[in-house]
Amino acid sequence: ETGVTQTPRHLVMGMTNKKSLKCEQHLGHNAMYWYKQSAKKPLELMFVYSLEERVENNSVPSRFSPECPNSSHLFLHLHTLQPEDSALYLCASSRDRGNQPQHFGDGTRLSIL
Amino acid sequence: GENVEQHPSTLSVQEGDSAVIKCTYSDSASNYFPWYKQELGKRPQLIIDIRSNVGEKKDQRIAVTLNKTAKHFSLHITETQPEDSAVYFCAASYLSGTYKYIFGTGTRLKVLA
Repeated sequence: ETGVTQTPRHLVMGMTNKKSLKCEQHLGHNAMYWYKQSAKKPLELMFVYSLEERVENNSVPSRFSPECPNSSHLFLHLHTLQPEDSALYLCASSRDRGNQPQHFGDGTRLSIL
Repeated sequence: GENVEQHPSTLSVQEGDSAVIKCTYSDSASNYFPWYKQELGKRPQLIIDIRSNVGEKKDQRIAVTLNKTAKHFSLHITETQPEDSAVYFCAASYLSGTYKYIFGTGTRLKVLA
């Protein structure tokens, strides 16, 4: 399934760098999500966008800045990250925001030096 | 806060045997319970889901049961095969003003040939 595409697949960056993660969905969905997946922890929902409007921000530090220019694209801008931010960042989409299946991308494996 | 507990964290079964994974949720408002399978290095994919107005759902070798009173739900895999080996995540969700989609910590299932 290639409905949700994330780039890059891997990213290594220093703590002072600025980078962006990109997510694109071709499923015609109206809701998109960013998750953080760390070892031995549950998937953590970071941000929720519905019809390009941010509807949830689950206490995520401001060094993570999401952007949703249209319903097919979602970005996560990264700035001044910490080593504990190293994780797999997963993007997902669903038809609408609500109790529905989510379709995930393959994720970006982020390593902070 | 809301959480979902998942047990066991690891499970090994012989090929052909059944596997059962259990989840307990804390928020009684939860009304949607999906299960995702994540193979090594791949994205999580929905395998089955259940809504709170149903007590059981089955799809071939996979079934999910829900006990709303006890706030438990379980995944049952019968006649396990090596390709069932993966990490399985449960989740509990509700949408009422705010939006919650909370994952369990995952169960690593290993099916031994």
